[in-house]
Amino acid sequence: DSGVTQTPKHLITATGQRVTLRCSPRSGDLSVYWYQQSLDQGLQFLIQYYNGEERAKGNILERFSAQQFPDLHSELNLSSLELGDSALYFCASSVESGTSGKEQYFGPGTRLTVT
Amino acid sequence: QQQVKQSPQSLIVQKGGIPIINCAYENTAFDYFPWYQQFPGKGPALLIAIRPDVSEKKEGRFTISFNKSAKQFSLHIMDSQPGDSATYFCAASEYNTDKLIFGTGTRLQVFP
Repeated sequence: DSGVTQTPKHLITATGQRVTLRCSPRSGDLSVYWYQQSLDQGLQFLIQYYNGEERAKGNILERFSAQQFPDLHSELNLSSLELGDSALYFCASSVESGTSGKEQYFGPGTRLTVT
Repeated sequence: QQQVKQSPQSLIVQKGGIPIINCAYENTAFDYFPWYQQFPGKGPALLIAIRPDVSEKKEGRFTISFNKSAKQFSLHIMDSQPGDSATYFCAASEYNTDKLIFGTGTRLQVFP
């Protein structure tokens, strides 16, 4: 158990809908990352937040957005869902950002199925 | 563009064997190279990581070998066990960013 929690574990929704995935980082970790894992794209970095502020962006679609709240939990919002958005979404956390922040610990993931 | 190339795609070994998984990169700005282990239905778990100033690092039965000039690094699993059967991912990140760039994964099966 990494100490990172994610809810829900599974999510099934229809095309065009909007969903919110939630992540609680390990106690004391300030940095939160979101990754998408799919069969064709592998594990891809989406976005990073550090202490409430956006730190880095990867291949995140404009239909997707995220935020980190004062209690450090994070939410990933996916809207106008398409079949191709079906994937595993992982949250990871690390103590801080920069050289010391590179050890990232992953949560159990949310499996999103868009029908 | 695949920035971290991982091979083989799958690997089958007998218990006690030493599977070796290889990764190669081109970006000389990478300064952190972790390996993750993922079981079906679980999130990736950090196994071991290395930085370019070290050529080898051991943690338990897991060893990373790093060749900076060749821009290659590999994971060796000593005395492999059936419980090591999982998918292994190498990754890398640049010195000025935390985001991890993952290889495509290697599915390892260890038979008794």
